[in-house]
Amino acid sequence: EVQLVESGGGLVQPGRSLRLSCAASGFTFDDYGMHWVRQAPGKGLEWISGITWNSGFTGYADSVKGRFTISRDNAKKSLYLQMNSLRAEDTAFYYCARDLGGYTSTNTFDCWGQGTLVAVSS
Amino acid sequence: EIVMTQSPATLSVSPGERATLSCRASQSVSSNLAWYQQKPGQAPRLLIYGASTRATGIPARFSGSGSGTDFTLTISSLQSVDFAVYYCQQYNNFFSLTFGQGTKVDIK
Repeated sequence: EVQLVESGGGLVQPGRSLRLSCAASGFTFDDYGMHWVRQAPGKGLEWISGITWNSGFTGYADSVKGRFTISRDNAKKSLYLQMNSLRAEDTAFYYCARDLGGYTSTNTFDCWGQGTLVAVSS
Repeated sequence: EIVMTQSPATLSVSPGERATLSCRASQSVSSNLAWYQQKPGQAPRLLIYGASTRATGIPARFSGSGSGTDFTLTISSLQSVDFAVYYCQQYNNFFSLTFGQGTKVDIK
């Protein structure tokens, strides 16, 4: 069974940093691109970052570019999101999601974790 | 950035009836359009990609159509498990991805 389990969320003050992790199991992690998608409480979905299977390409939404960094460790079957200079508007559930296309990233998301909540407040 | 606009915001439907959800892109996205279903407290689930291809395990009552800027998700005969929020997502440009604001399908 494919599983994605996020961790690392919590309450953080504005301007501080946080690192999210996503542990993958049940599939060959290094065959797939991966993404982070967030959802503010009661709001819609926002794609924020993606990475190809071999870390060759990464991408970011304008809202997080220059502040967030996506990375992966295929040996550990893990995806990461380093979040710096956090703002109140970054408060959201953060989901990691697998790319449908495998090696050929399609930028659609066929498996999702259950999310981890990041709350940015003083 | 391509802006995705969904309508209506809320759709009230009786069980067994057909539901038609719309999604419009601010510029052409060809057939690079996906639909997701999200229930309260759950992660989203992929329903449709490539505008009309059902994802693995998705029932045939879900169908997608359209290309360019106008897309439709149709649920042919609503079941109780289908009441949820539905999002469209365009992926026309690599790593430049946007979602619509969602359509809530609730019980009439």
